[in-house]
Amino acid sequence: DTAVSQTPKYLVTQMGNDKSIKCEQNLGHDTMYWYKQDSKKFLKIMFSYNNKELIINETVPNRFSPKSPDKAHLNLHINSLELGDSAVYFCASSQVSSNTEAFFGQGTRLTVV
Amino acid sequence: ILNVEQSPQSLHVQEGDSTNFTCSFPSSNFYALHWYRWETAKSPEALFVMTLNGDEKKKGRISATLNTKEGYSYLYIKGSQPEDSATYLCASANQAGTALIFGKGTTLSVSS
Repeated sequence: DTAVSQTPKYLVTQMGNDKSIKCEQNLGHDTMYWYKQDSKKFLKIMFSYNNKELIINETVPNRFSPKSPDKAHLNLHINSLELGDSAVYFCASSQVSSNTEAFFGQGTRLTVV
Repeated sequence: ILNVEQSPQSLHVQEGDSTNFTCSFPSSNFYALHWYRWETAKSPEALFVMTLNGDEKKKGRISATLNTKEGYSYLYIKGSQPEDSATYLCASANQAGTALIFGKGTTLSVSS
């Protein structure tokens, strides 16, 4: 069983479209994250959500929004996609209260054309 | 958002060489320091999580130390092997419940 799974793995879409990337973790972790890997392979935090509090990186455009239907899921919605949104997006989860390591999904490569 | 710095940005060594990388992070309100190994086309995988000043962790030929008072951590690789080639990321969190903030990584290339 994959600990953190993201779907789809690849997503090609046109500018202006709205799309979602799903993330599920089966580890019982209390916190989930979305990271964006930029062109230089730098992991940049977008959101952190621990079922009580959503922490947003203020540099993230408000076209991006996380949705958490339950503790095991944190989906990423993107409205009005732009060319610059093309990147690899990683979902991760951790049990912050016990200070253990984060587990990452396999990444979703988003290409906006 | 924390500022986590790593150096060097990249490193090329010969098989058998020992090497080390540095991660610096804000020491105020420190909560945890993580090291991850990230191979191309894969997801980052955890190496160590350290929380206490003076912590030292070891896994095989890889070890790490932590100084929370001055805000730095070292990762050491003894006798580098080609399979050690990867990007090594450190990440810090400054209070419980906040996200891990990653440095830009050190990319290690080991030649046989």
